Amino acid sequence: DAKTTQPNSMESNEEEPVHLPCNHSTISGTDYIHWYRQLPSQGPEYVIHGLTSNVNNRMASLAIAEDRKSSTLILHRATLRDAAVYYCILTMDSNYQLIWGAGTKLIIKP
Amino acid sequence: EPEVTQTPSHQVTQMGQEVILRCVPISNHLYFYWYRQILGQKVEFLVSFYNNEISEKSEIFDDQFSVERPDGSNFTLKIRSTKLEDSAMYFCATSSSGGLREQYFGPGTRLTVT
Repeated sequence: DAKTTQPNSMESNEEEPVHLPCNHSTISGTDYIHWYRQLPSQGPEYVIHGLTSNVNNRMASLAIAEDRKSSTLILHRATLRDAAVYYCILTMDSNYQLIWGAGTKLIIKP
Repeated sequence: EPEVTQTPSHQVTQMGQEVILRCVPISNHLYFYWYRQILGQKVEFLVSFYNNEISEKSEIFDDQFSVERPDGSNFTLKIRSTKLEDSAMYFCATSSSGGLREQYFGPGTRLTVT
């Protein structure tokens, strides 16, 4: 399985944008980039996913590098509720399972 | 908004006992998954299930584990003879299709084996 690399933790101030990086230098052409997050004491929650083009939804934006070897999850205006562990995961269409790394623990300062 | 539910929220059992963890998927979802997370560790994939069959399973999902959809609504994970190392949060997830579709997770069942 293609691996991802994320910083262990990041801090951001409330109401400011947050850019969470993910490196996936061994990504293959059929791998999709998924982001999930896990709030404290909760189950994981889907955030966004994409293949090549940048994607936006109500929760976040996903910026994918042209060579697809890295991506960035963008929270446009962080709130305290966004404090969570964020996971960048690669999946193939034929592969049902999510392979989880350690993720990035996002700390939001009031 | 539809959600995945899991029961019980917390299960305490003695080593060697059988446990059944239950999940009610989102109604139109067809793909079901179990994951577990040992305290302080990564989330780990256990098994995926579609069309009344296991689609994929991990090395963790050995003969002690089984899954079924007994009544067309619940999706269950059975551990036949629990071990201390089975203590973990167990998350059920469902999706409307496999692979690319987002998975929706339940709140989890905390299993404590004593």
